Amino acid sequence: AQSVTQLGSHVSVSEGALVLLRCNYSSSVPPYLFWYVQYPNQGLQLLLKYTTGATLVKGINGFEAEFKKSETSFHLTKPSAHMSDAAEYFCAVTPGYSSASKIIFGSGTRLSIRP
Amino acid sequence: DAGVTQSPTHLIKTRGQQVTLRCSPKSGHDTVSWYQQALGQGPQFIFQYYEEEERQRGNFPDRFSGHQFPNYSSELNVNALLLGDSALYLCASSLMLTGRETQYFGPGTRLLVL
Repeated sequence: AQSVTQLGSHVSVSEGALVLLRCNYSSSVPPYLFWYVQYPNQGLQLLLKYTTGATLVKGINGFEAEFKKSETSFHLTKPSAHMSDAAEYFCAVTPGYSSASKIIFGSGTRLSIRP
Repeated sequence: DAGVTQSPTHLIKTRGQQVTLRCSPKSGHDTVSWYQQALGQGPQFIFQYYEEEERQRGNFPDRFSGHQFPNYSSELNVNALLLGDSALYLCASSLMLTGRETQYFGPGTRLLVL
């Protein structure tokens, strides 16, 4: 069985500040891990994914995440927030034998950016 | 190269009615998954179709059914609509055999049940 926990339903940061969105996962098999972003009234866009190999994954729009197996975490970071980063962010997991399998999503973290 | 498309974009129905939502996968993809996203929540997996068969199913009642056509497009049908079925319905497509292909999501169909 797999599950995802996102710590903090709402995170607010100032423009230019560090963004840190937390995600912990549970998986009975090696996982594939994802971060998706959802802008208002839109579908989901993939930010980045971890499958195998390098544990530090770089994504679009300056975001990156690090897979830490010992901590079962996959936190999302961005060094400097921009107003356009305001959106809902979802951490997600699939079993590591196929990324075509069903995706288990966290409940989401709404990111707000203060001017 | 067209991405995942869904139709309609919005839909209003009344309780007890039936609804059909449609999804066309990204070019080259053969697998379609459906998700329900209630307001303020993360998407929840409904089911997945591959080779015109339902391969996986989430914790949804039999009122939710689907179909996949030979051209890989898919339909989601919901019978006897309840108020709680109001949600954004997302379709995602992928390629089954590679195992590492990203699932791409469509823009969704927003269903309101009155």
